[in-house]
Amino acid sequence: DQQVKQNSPSLSVQEGRISILNCDYTNSMFDYFLWYKKYPAEGPTFLISISSIKDKNEDGRFTVFLNKSAKHLSLHIVPSQPGDSAVYFCAATAGGNTPLVFGKGTRLSVIA
Amino acid sequence: GAVVSQHPSRVICKSGTSVKIECRSLDFQATTMFWYRQFPKKSLMLMATSNEGSKATYEQGVEKDKFLINHASLTLSTLTVTSAHPEDSSFYICSARGNSSPLHFGNGTRLTVT
Repeated sequence: DQQVKQNSPSLSVQEGRISILNCDYTNSMFDYFLWYKKYPAEGPTFLISISSIKDKNEDGRFTVFLNKSAKHLSLHIVPSQPGDSAVYFCAATAGGNTPLVFGKGTRLSVIA
Repeated sequence: GAVVSQHPSRVICKSGTSVKIECRSLDFQATTMFWYRQFPKKSLMLMATSNEGSKATYEQGVEKDKFLINHASLTLSTLTVTSAHPEDSSFYICSARGNSSPLHFGNGTRLTVT
């Protein structure tokens, strides 16, 4: 049973436009959510996170929105740049030192 | 910021041999490290939780005698794939977290068993 779901395996966006990556979760114990970016043959790189006490967190071009009632979060990248092309993983944890649970990732392609 | 170093980045070994992968937290102490495996076109799957000074906790379906984990110090955890087989070929990634930082990942190890 997948606790973290990224239903879009891929997304293609034009440079300068907004990229919206979606993530749904089922475990109501999750209280901290993260987005990681991954290039081929490299480990994931932390991008941005949000605690369950917030509904929005912004860092430069990246904004994460959390809708707890819908158990849904999204990552907005604006404006999108070709260098943003990568696989983006949504992850969640129930806090403390519990491990992260990852979605399957969404491959973002930003076209110049 | 916190950095996790993983070595080697790539390794090719013959079937039946063992391979050791090291994971180090460079500027923070990690009492717990996590080992993940990524299959092609799939998510990162947690293999085991490595605890400093005690036995690792393995996820269901992961053979603890095949994937030996040693967390010898607060900055080093190792994963040894014993008697490797071609089906063990994969991308292995370690991760660690300091007191208040998000989980940081190593760059992964691409293991190819021939």
